[in-house]
Amino acid sequence: GNSVTQMEGPVTLSEEAFLTINCTYTATGYPSLFWYVQYPGEGLQLLLKATKADDKGSNKGFEATYRKETTSFHLEKGSVQVSDSAVYFCALSDRTGNQFYFGTGTSLTVIP
Amino acid sequence: DGGITQSPKYLFRKEGQNVTLSCEQNLNHDAMYWYRQDPGQGLRLIYYSQIVNDFQKGDIAEGYSVSREKKESFPLTVTSAQKNPTAFYLCASSTRGDQPQHFGDGTRLSIL
Repeated sequence: GNSVTQMEGPVTLSEEAFLTINCTYTATGYPSLFWYVQYPGEGLQLLLKATKADDKGSNKGFEATYRKETTSFHLEKGSVQVSDSAVYFCALSDRTGNQFYFGTGTSLTVIP
Repeated sequence: DGGITQSPKYLFRKEGQNVTLSCEQNLNHDAMYWYRQDPGQGLRLIYYSQIVNDFQKGDIAEGYSVSREKKESFPLTVTSAQKNPTAFYLCASSTRGDQPQHFGDGTRLSIL
């Protein structure tokens, strides 16, 4: 079946540190992959996406590369800010099954 | 602007009372979803609907009910049978099941 596994949180970083949040997936077929961000007290917002192997999604300084050989889609940012504190969700879409799957979320806190 | 509107933002339920959470979208999306989020937890799917007048149970449907009489609207009723309703409820929509979901800002439900 299809599933998404994210690294356990919470993650705490100092401002300007390098961020990596790991995401691996299991899928039949060729899924599209996504990262969502949820700021405190709000809904989820789509952060970036990649629709095929080796695609790199990017937005607001965040990047993630679709790696088919390692079934991964790790989220990275070179220099985090306090305003990046949020919960980040990795997600997968299955065109065949017409379904969408979310990971469990990883909480990030950036301290000044 | 197109989007999803959830109301109210905060809701209080008395013991034995049913309450209804509103979700309206003007994105012309066919699919709509309800999720429950507990503190520090990921998303759990309550109900989803892929087309008007049709809906399916998600992972935690017990104690909840929905209707989908119009494409734009997907209200969720939290019944008195739901013994632990305190949570953050998120509504989402998408063009179809495998497409990125767009989220509302959520309703926070508490017990009086």
